[in-house]
Amino acid sequence: DTAVSQTPKYLVTQMGNDKSIKCEQNLGHDTMYWYKQDSKKFLKIMFSYNNKELIINETVPNRFSPKSPDKAHLNLHINSLELGDSAVYFCASSPRDRNTEAFFGQGTRLTVV
Amino acid sequence: QQQVKQSPQSLIVQKGGISIINCAYENTAFDYFPWYQQFPGKGPALLIAIRPDVSEKKEGRFTISFNKSAKQFSLHIMDSQPGDSATYFCAASKVRGYALNFGKGTSLLVTP
Repeated sequence: DTAVSQTPKYLVTQMGNDKSIKCEQNLGHDTMYWYKQDSKKFLKIMFSYNNKELIINETVPNRFSPKSPDKAHLNLHINSLELGDSAVYFCASSPRDRNTEAFFGQGTRLTVV
Repeated sequence: QQQVKQSPQSLIVQKGGISIINCAYENTAFDYFPWYQQFPGKGPALLIAIRPDVSEKKEGRFTISFNKSAKQFSLHIMDSQPGDSATYFCAASKVRGYALNFGKGTSLLVTP
């Protein structure tokens, strides 16, 4: 069983489109995250949600909107995609406010053309 | 600003050699220092982690050395194997928190 699963694994889309990435975890964790890994492999936190409540929003453009329908799911919707949004997006989860057990998904490679 | 600085950016080691990756942090409130290993096309996976109350932690061939006064920590991979070839990320954060602060990563290649 995959602990943190993301779909799709690859996403190629044109500039200006709107797209969503889905994430589900079956670890029973309370906290979920979105991280962005750029072309130089730098990993940076975008959002943290704890039990469906937004905890961290790290100066991410408003075009990015996370949605947490329940504590096992955290989806990422991106409006008006730009070339600079091309990156690998990782979903992760951990027990409530415990960085010590953060578990990452396989990533979604987004390419904007 | 970059909260965790990692070096080197890339590293080539012969099989059986020792790989050493260094990190430095600024925020003295950080009390959790993990290392993550990432293979191409995969997500980062927790490799080993240390808390500031100890100076060294060893798990198999992987050892973290921690210097609290210098605000530095390092990963040593003993008897490096080709299967260890991956990107390694250090991170620093508070145990009780909602985000990991990552270094920029080190691409390790272990040659046969």
